[in-house]
Amino acid sequence: NAGVTQTPKFQVLKTGQSMTLQCAQDMNHNSMYWYRQDPGMGLRLIYYSASEGTTDKGEVPNGYNVSRLNKREFSLRLESAAPSQTSVYFCASTTEGGTQYFGPGTRLLVL
Amino acid sequence: GNSVTQMEGPVTLSEEAFLTINCTYTATGYPSLFWYVQYPGEGLQLLLKATKADDKGSNKGFEATYRKETTSFHLEKGSVQVSDSAVYFCALGGGNQFYFGTGTSLTVIP
Repeated sequence: NAGVTQTPKFQVLKTGQSMTLQCAQDMNHNSMYWYRQDPGMGLRLIYYSASEGTTDKGEVPNGYNVSRLNKREFSLRLESAAPSQTSVYFCASTTEGGTQYFGPGTRLLVL
Repeated sequence: GNSVTQMEGPVTLSEEAFLTINCTYTATGYPSLFWYVQYPGEGLQLLLKATKADDKGSNKGFEATYRKETTSFHLEKGSVQVSDSAVYFCALGGGNQFYFGTGTSLTVIP
């Protein structure tokens, strides 16, 4: 039981490049989330998916897109990276009772 | 709207000292409240939770009570250890969304 896995662990991009962050969970949870963590800002919700086939915007969705590929996988895409997207990105999946399980994070640096 | 405000850090304590990290919330409806802990280089882990007013969540010596009258969920531990050094996040869950505080960094020195 691996829980929530994320790839890659670390990435450096140049401004304007694109990339996809991958997330998978093996706990059969319906809900999955993408957050970014910045110093002094806590975690801010980018997008979430309450169930397979649905996605919704969170607090800071601009510049991102998501795909809920199936029940296990929820990917986050940056189409044209900007330095303001330098951050640590966390994926989480959630039990029906509201407990969130987080992945180890992806550290992204945009130059 | 929903929001969480928690005590700013960093907090530095000596081993065996008493810990309190304050957390207050604003919410519509009846949210669940959570404390998460983050160790360096890792994701957040659930520390404890409470789902209704007057519930007390507890785990690993940490406690927090859901106080609706004061809209608070303060984290306490009677005797901290060096291994408790981490960043602590208060969070509120309502519907499909979750709202996190900015985190409080705790360092415990021997």
